[in-house]
Amino acid sequence: EAQVTQNPRYLITVTGKKLTVTCSQNMNHEYMSWYRQDPGLGLRQIYYSMNVEVTDKGDVPEGYKVSRKEKRNFPLILESPSPNQTSLYFCASRRSWDTSYEQYFGPGTRLTVT
Amino acid sequence: DQQVKQNSPSLSVQEGRISILNCDYTNSMFDYFLWYKKYPAEGPTFLISISSIKDKNEDGRFTVFLNKSAKHLSLHIVPSQPGDSAVYFCAASVKASYDKVIFGPGTSLSVIP
Repeated sequence: EAQVTQNPRYLITVTGKKLTVTCSQNMNHEYMSWYRQDPGLGLRQIYYSMNVEVTDKGDVPEGYKVSRKEKRNFPLILESPSPNQTSLYFCASRRSWDTSYEQYFGPGTRLTVT
Repeated sequence: DQQVKQNSPSLSVQEGRISILNCDYTNSMFDYFLWYKKYPAEGPTFLISISSIKDKNEDGRFTVFLNKSAKHLSLHIVPSQPGDSAVYFCAASVKASYDKVIFGPGTSLSVIP
């Protein structure tokens, strides 16, 4: 089954404790992206990757890091989480850089930083 | 400043009637538009799209209309079913470009049996 998986689905942590949210896709997609969803703001892009070893900032990259060492995986790293990073996070993948292709989203990770 | 706006945070419709979800955009460079549907505890899923060379695209019960001069698009669901209850996101981009897809804030649709 074609899918994007994320782990963990729920996470409660404390300020400053480094964490990683994993993302994996099995569709051999070139393009992957991370979004955060906040009330009234929709989905805002954090980082994206056009292909292996190619990553770039989205609209809200501050406080986040990513890496793309393999085509299927695109982890999101919060080196020192803060309460304003409490949000619902989605990983997504797309066949290529072409925006007319649909994106496939993971089930989401709800992060709470206290 | 939001480039994609969905001014109705929520909408309630009776089962069997038409649901109309609206979306406005400000960037005249956008020429490709998508709608995604999101159920609670799940990620968004692609629903329907439209290119700016068309003014209408239909897929079963779902039709998207595009009015380029007004920078407005709408999603029509006919007839509405309880299973359509979800959050609907409008998204816009410049087709075949490296630019990102911009999402609106979403409209929560409730279809009442």
